Amino acid sequence: QVQLQESGPGLVKPSQTLSLTCAVSGGAITTDNFYWSWFRQPAGKGLQWIGRVYFSGNTKYNPSLKNRVTMSVDPSKNQFSLRLTSVTAADTAVYYCVREGMITFGGVITDDWFDPWGQGTLVIVSS
Amino acid sequence: QSVVSQPPSASGTPGQRVTIACSGSSSNIGSHSANWYQQVPGTAPKLLIYSNHKRPSGVPGRFSGSKSGTSASLAISGLQSEDEAIYHCGAWDDSLNAWVFGGGTKVTVL
Repeated sequence: QVQLQESGPGLVKPSQTLSLTCAVSGGAITTDNFYWSWFRQPAGKGLQWIGRVYFSGNTKYNPSLKNRVTMSVDPSKNQFSLRLTSVTAADTAVYYCVREGMITFGGVITDDWFDPWGQGTLVIVSS
Repeated sequence: QSVVSQPPSASGTPGQRVTIACSGSSSNIGSHSANWYQQVPGTAPKLLIYSNHKRPSGVPGRFSGSKSGTSASLAISGLQSEDEAIYHCGAWDDSLNAWVFGGGTKVTVL
């Protein structure tokens, strides 16, 4: 059974870079047909998808976060990471790492979903 | 304001049937499958329904999903106290080129 665990600083100063790592256990991060994603959820609000990374290094980011996001994979450690630059108070949220499963047909994703989720880690942006 | 909309709250007594609607558009639910996630406050979301109506192993049969046009629905039949949670719907959006989610519906068991 695959499990995910986030780690990283719980407090980041404004204008600095938020860095989080997600350790994957119970399965290889290099398994086909799984993306590795990050979400965040401000207190009392809904879920926001940040982006995803494939074990090959292929990435897709939420355009709303513009050029502030970078994701990477380290197969040797079976983990993946998130970097969010130039943070402000609006980036304060619980951050989740999640596995995205998918069904493909002819190389096109026909269905995909998020499971399992890490327990989440609260990141506060404050001086 | 979310691209996909859900009612902020819903409620029912034990044993009742509760339905939650998720309204989208042609660029998200109208073109792609909808998924539903259950989140007990203070914990991480959990996959409840995927591909509009499929239940992952371990999800009770009282949860069911459907889709029609640009809307999706989650039904809870035989509501139980442990079903008190926030339910989120989500789908890929071709216009935004991103996953989009509703704001979540808090279900209260009276």
